[in-house]
Amino acid sequence: EVQLVESGGDLVQPGGSLRLSCAASGFTFSNCYMHWVRQGPGKGLVWIAHINSRGTSTTYAESVKGRFTISRDNAKNTLYLQMNSLRGEDTAVYYCVRDWYGEYNWGQGTLVTVSS
Amino acid sequence: DIVMTQTPLSSPVTLGQPASISCRSSQSLVYSDGNTYLSWLQQRPGQPPRLLIFKIFNRFSGVPDRFSGSGAGTDFTLKISRVEAEDVGVYYCMQTIQFPWTFGQGTKVEIK
Repeated sequence: EVQLVESGGDLVQPGGSLRLSCAASGFTFSNCYMHWVRQGPGKGLVWIAHINSRGTSTTYAESVKGRFTISRDNAKNTLYLQMNSLRGEDTAVYYCVRDWYGEYNWGQGTLVTVSS
Repeated sequence: DIVMTQTPLSSPVTLGQPASISCRSSQSLVYSDGNTYLSWLQQRPGQPPRLLIFKIFNRFSGVPDRFSGSGAGTDFTLKISRVEAEDVGVYYCMQTIQFPWTFGQGTKVEIK
């Protein structure tokens, strides 16, 4: 069974940094593209970043480009999201998503709150 | 960016009755491999999103057959043949043909 377990969400001050992790199991992690999608409180879904299976190619939403970095460790079956220069509008639940040829598994999410 | 527009945004339904949600994309979702990358997600209250349908009409593992998807090009539909209490939640269409992935605004399905 595919499992994606996010962690690392916390309360952080504006301008601060945070690193999210997503532990994957139940599938061959190194074969899959991965994504981060977030959902603000009471809001819809917003895609923010993608990484290819080997970690050699990444793509970002304009809203996070230059501030967030997606990466992966295939030996540890783990996806990461390094978030710097955090703003209030980054407050959201962050989901990691497995991408397998048009089929998408979602994790349960981790909450990031940016507030002073 | 591709804009995804869902209608209606709210759908009160009687238990056992059908429900239908439409989704229109601002450009074709047909990829060069011949597949159309339109998916439907369900988000129950307090839960993460869950994939229901991928590539227009393919039901994901474990999804009941009362859910069906149809459409082509830029116009798509999700149908629930007979709504059950566990179907309450918000439904999203999403396109994954190009970055950034984009989502519809969400349709709230509730029981009358």
